Amino acid sequence: KQEVTQIPAALSVPEGENLVLNCSFTDSAIYNLQWFRQDPGKGLTSLLLIQSSQREQTSGRLNASLDKSSGRSTLYIAASQPGDSATYLCAVENNNDMRFGAGTRLTVKP
Amino acid sequence: DGGITQSPKYLFRKEGQNVTLSCEQNLNHDAMYWYRQDPGQGLRLIYYSQIVNDFQKGDIAEGYSVSREKKESFPLTVTSAQKNPTAFYLCASSTRLAPTGELFFGEGSRLTVL
Repeated sequence: KQEVTQIPAALSVPEGENLVLNCSFTDSAIYNLQWFRQDPGKGLTSLLLIQSSQREQTSGRLNASLDKSSGRSTLYIAASQPGDSATYLCAVENNNDMRFGAGTRLTVKP
Repeated sequence: DGGITQSPKYLFRKEGQNVTLSCEQNLNHDAMYWYRQDPGQGLRLIYYSQIVNDFQKGDIAEGYSVSREKKESFPLTVTSAQKNPTAFYLCASSTRLAPTGELFFGEGSRLTVL
């Protein structure tokens, strides 16, 4: 059964810093990996979807990479802003089964 | 605007009562899902549906029930058999079930048992 881990559980950085969030998974036979953003008390918003055949996806200041062989994905956020403060979750899909990590709570201080 | 609407946003229930959470989507998606989110844990799948009049149990279906009478609607009933129902409930949809691809979520419903 796929297990998805996100470390650290919380991260605080000053505004303007570049940062990396980590996601690891135990079963490398995946269809895709998705990164989500969740604001407090809200639903999840999909940020980036990486298919198993892809190595990375980019959207604006966000870049997500995927290394299936090592069971890892990273979400890179460039030039962080206070508006980036939220919880970031990754989800891994394989065999009609999607598993979520518990998320990393990011705080960007002005 | 296309999206998923969940209601109510907040719900309080006395022990022994059944409650129903509403989920409506106008994205024309075939697949719909219910997840439960507890602090410090990843989302856990309660039920999912690939097509009208068909639904399957997820990892934590005990104490919950669903129906899918219309493509747009997938209500979740939290029954009195659910031992620890206080949680944040999220409804989601996707164009297809497998592979799921991009998931779209509603804003969630927070249920508190008094």
